Amino acid sequence: AQRVTQPEKLLSVFKGAPVELKCNYSYSGSPELFWYVQYSRQRLQLLLRHISRESIKGFTADLNKGETSFHLKKPFAQEEDSAMYYCALRKDDKIIFGKGTRLHILP
Amino acid sequence: NAGVTQTPKFQVLKTGQSMTLQCAQDMNHEYMSWYRQDPGMGLRLIHYSVGAGITDQGEVPNGYNVSRSTTEDFPLRLLSAAPSQTSVYFCASGGSGANVLTFGAGSRLTVL
Repeated sequence: AQRVTQPEKLLSVFKGAPVELKCNYSYSGSPELFWYVQYSRQRLQLLLRHISRESIKGFTADLNKGETSFHLKKPFAQEEDSAMYYCALRKDDKIIFGKGTRLHILP
Repeated sequence: NAGVTQTPKFQVLKTGQSMTLQCAQDMNHEYMSWYRQDPGMGLRLIHYSVGAGITDQGEVPNGYNVSRSTTEDFPLRLLSAAPSQTSVYFCASGGSGANVLTFGAGSRLTVL
């Protein structure tokens, strides 16, 4: 069965420092992976998807099939990045989410 | 353009009561789904639908029923609420297939 693992419940990073939110997946086929973000008092929204290979708000994520990972990275954290981040995997007609990582940017 | 609308935003139930969480979308999306969000558990898929008249189970379907009589609406029914169903429920819709999801604002349910 497909599974998405986000090993960190909470990640605290100083403003200006690099950010890496980890995501590992288990899936036997060709995965389609996403990162969703939930800012305080806002709706859950798509941040980026691996097939787009784009940078959104300075974040990037590369699919590493060998390591079955899709880590989210940003070179310089900003205070507005504080939020809950979810990694998600699509299998057929289901999108399965990880448990989420709360990113806290320290001033 | 309202997107995905969920009602009610808050609800308190007693054990054994029934209720329906409403979800409507105005984007003509074929795909709709329900998730529950619990601390430390992330988002878990309850039920989903790929089009009117078609529904299927997700990861945690027990205790919940759904129907999809129109493209716009996807209600979630709790037939006999239990304290374990205390959660925040999110409805989401997407284009063809389980594509990029647009989420509702959430419904916070407390079962006493």
